Amino acid sequence: DAKTTQPPSMDCAEGRAANLPCNHSTISGNEYVYWYRQIHSQGPQYIIHGLKNNETNEMASLIITEDRKSSTLILPHATLRDTAVYYCIVRGGADGLTFGKGTHLIIQP
Amino acid sequence: DTAVSQTPKYLVTQMGNDKSIKCEQNLGHDTMYWYKQDSKKFLKIMFSYNNKELIINETVPNRFSPKSPDKAHLNLHINSLELGDSAVYFCASSQRQGRSTDTQYFGPGTRLTVL
Repeated sequence: DAKTTQPPSMDCAEGRAANLPCNHSTISGNEYVYWYRQIHSQGPQYIIHGLKNNETNEMASLIITEDRKSSTLILPHATLRDTAVYYCIVRGGADGLTFGKGTHLIIQP
Repeated sequence: DTAVSQTPKYLVTQMGNDKSIKCEQNLGHDTMYWYKQDSKKFLKIMFSYNNKELIINETVPNRFSPKSPDKAHLNLHINSLELGDSAVYFCASSQRQGRSTDTQYFGPGTRLTVL
């Protein structure tokens, strides 16, 4: 699976959109981009995934660049409960997920 | 309804003891996993089972032995516990093994402390 690079931490004001970037410049054509988050002391929670098209669900939107070398997770109206570590994972079919250090997103009141 | 559940939530034990952590999923998934999150918060895959058959066994000491009595359960037995085994252990499940679109769902974790 390709390696990902994320900023270690980010702040966002409550009610604003949180935009979390991820670089995955070595991604292969059959690899998906997955996003998970881990709220303190809880298990990782699936957010969204995509291959090349932009995706949206009830939690977030995923924007993948045309060359697929980077992506952005968007939480449209961040709340205090969105404070968590967000993991961007590139996955090509292997069973286990490879978690990096992620981005610690802190939502400020 | 809890999709992936683990027991116990906390486990404190002495070095050298043998302990087990249980995991159950009610999602009807074929594949289950064990992950370990150490004190530095790195989350790593340990094992993967598909329909009761071991698929992945990362470089984990053989003191760790997963056991799957049926596809809804994957228990983790740890023999001769060491201080370095202290971590949070997460169970996960997914519908089908080996597909890149196969989403994994995680349990709440078991915090193991070895004294």
